[in-house]
Amino acid sequence: GESVGLHLPTLSVQEGDNSIINCAYSNSASDYFIWYKQESGKGPQFIIDIRSNMDKRQGQRVTVLLNKTVKHLSLQIAATQPGDSAVYFCAETTSGGSYIPTFGRGTSLIVHP
Amino acid sequence: NAGVTQTPKFRVLKTGQSMTLLCAQDMNHEYMYWYRQDPGMGLRLIHYSVGEGTTAKGEVPDGYNVSRLKKQNFLLGLESAAPSQTSVYFCASTHTYEAFFGQGTRLTVV
Repeated sequence: GESVGLHLPTLSVQEGDNSIINCAYSNSASDYFIWYKQESGKGPQFIIDIRSNMDKRQGQRVTVLLNKTVKHLSLQIAATQPGDSAVYFCAETTSGGSYIPTFGRGTSLIVHP
Repeated sequence: NAGVTQTPKFRVLKTGQSMTLLCAQDMNHEYMYWYRQDPGMGLRLIHYSVGEGTTAKGEVPDGYNVSRLKKQNFLLGLESAAPSQTSVYFCASTHTYEAFFGQGTRLTVV
């Protein structure tokens, strides 16, 4: 398994910048990919999802890109705001079974005013 | 609409004590999950349930038991707590791929 330490990967940005958070997934059979946002002291919250038959999906200020060839997922946040500061997790799941979300390690996003 | 509610929010246990964490959802979801989250790590699946009366092991099931006697409730039990079980525990439910999470239970075993 992946070697883990006490500290998450961290991305520090200035308010107004665009942020890009990356994630590698492992299961070629996964057909849904989801980004979750976890604020301090709270449970993860759904941000945006993408199906495996798509390579891009846009939401409000967020865009998710999927590259199945290299099993890579990214979350782009436009005009990042201090309220975007949180830990971001990607998760993969399969629709044919029990929809179990399998989570990546997470990235801590810090937005400086 | 409460969503997913976890009880308790905080607990301190002595080594060897037992306890039960309760998860309740009011969205009529079939699937429910228990995760633990440790510093610097993602969420790791402990046990899950695909419906009332069914449970299955996840990635890290040792030391835990679960029950799903009613569709809306998913209980996580620690029979004999160990310091290695100090963690934040999250319950989640879903009907498809978007999971809804509770606020978490912070458990410390001393």
